[in-house]
Amino acid sequence: DAGVTQSPTHLIKTRGQHVTLRCSPISGHKSVSWYQQVLGQGPQFIFQYYEKEERGRGNFPDRFSARQFPNYSSELNVNALLLGDSALYLCASSPGQTNNQPQHFGDGTRLSIL
Amino acid sequence: SQQGEEDPQALSIQEGENATMNCSYKTSINNLQWYRQNSGRGLVHLILIRSNEREKHSGRLRVTLDTSKKSSSLLITASRAADTASYFCATDARGTGANNLFFGTGTRLTVIP
Repeated sequence: DAGVTQSPTHLIKTRGQHVTLRCSPISGHKSVSWYQQVLGQGPQFIFQYYEKEERGRGNFPDRFSARQFPNYSSELNVNALLLGDSALYLCASSPGQTNNQPQHFGDGTRLSIL
Repeated sequence: SQQGEEDPQALSIQEGENATMNCSYKTSINNLQWYRQNSGRGLVHLILIRSNEREKHSGRLRVTLDTSKKSSSLLITASRAADTASYFCATDARGTGANNLFFGTGTRLTVIP
C-alpha cells in the first residue's frame, strides 16, 4: 500500500504570492494533520482535519488555511507569503482522530520564499 | 509552550556503541512517541509508550518514561551507520482537548562506521 504522498516536493515562491500544498493520506486513514518544520527545529502543528472537519488549529496566522476532501485528501493554502514561511511542510495521516496512535508522515514539501 | 526538549542536541558515536537520547516535556500526557527523521525526509514512527507504562522495547530500541520527572529516554543498542538521523520525541497534551502532537527540538545522531 502507498504511504502518505505529498505534492509538489519542492516549490519556490516570492513574497506576497499564494501557495497550495497537497496531501494524500494512507488508504483508510481519515485524519490528516499538517506541520511546519523550520530548518533545525522540530515540526510545529498547523491543522488537523478529521472526517472533513477542522479538529485542531495551531498558533498560525489566518494566512494559513486548509481543507479536507471527501476522499480524505487535503490541501494546505498559504496566502501573502513571507520569508519566514520558508520551511518543510509535512502532512501526517492516522486512522482516527485521537493522537494516541502513530502518525504516518509524508516526505514533505520544501517551500522556499525568495 | 508544551514543546519538549531533547538532550543532547547532537551525538556522535562509533558503530556498535549504544546511543542514549533524553526528552523532557512540560505538561501531563496520555502518551509519548519517538520518531526518526533522515535528512530531508518525513518522520518515521519508532515507538509509542503510554503514561501508565515505564519501559517498552522494540528490536534494538528501548524507551523509558518517568511521568513524575516528565522525562523519557530512547536507547539504541549496537548502533549502525544506518541509524544516523535526527530523533524527536512527541507528546500529546492531556486535558487540553488538542489532538495534535507537540514535538521536541530533536537530537542529531551520527554513527561513524
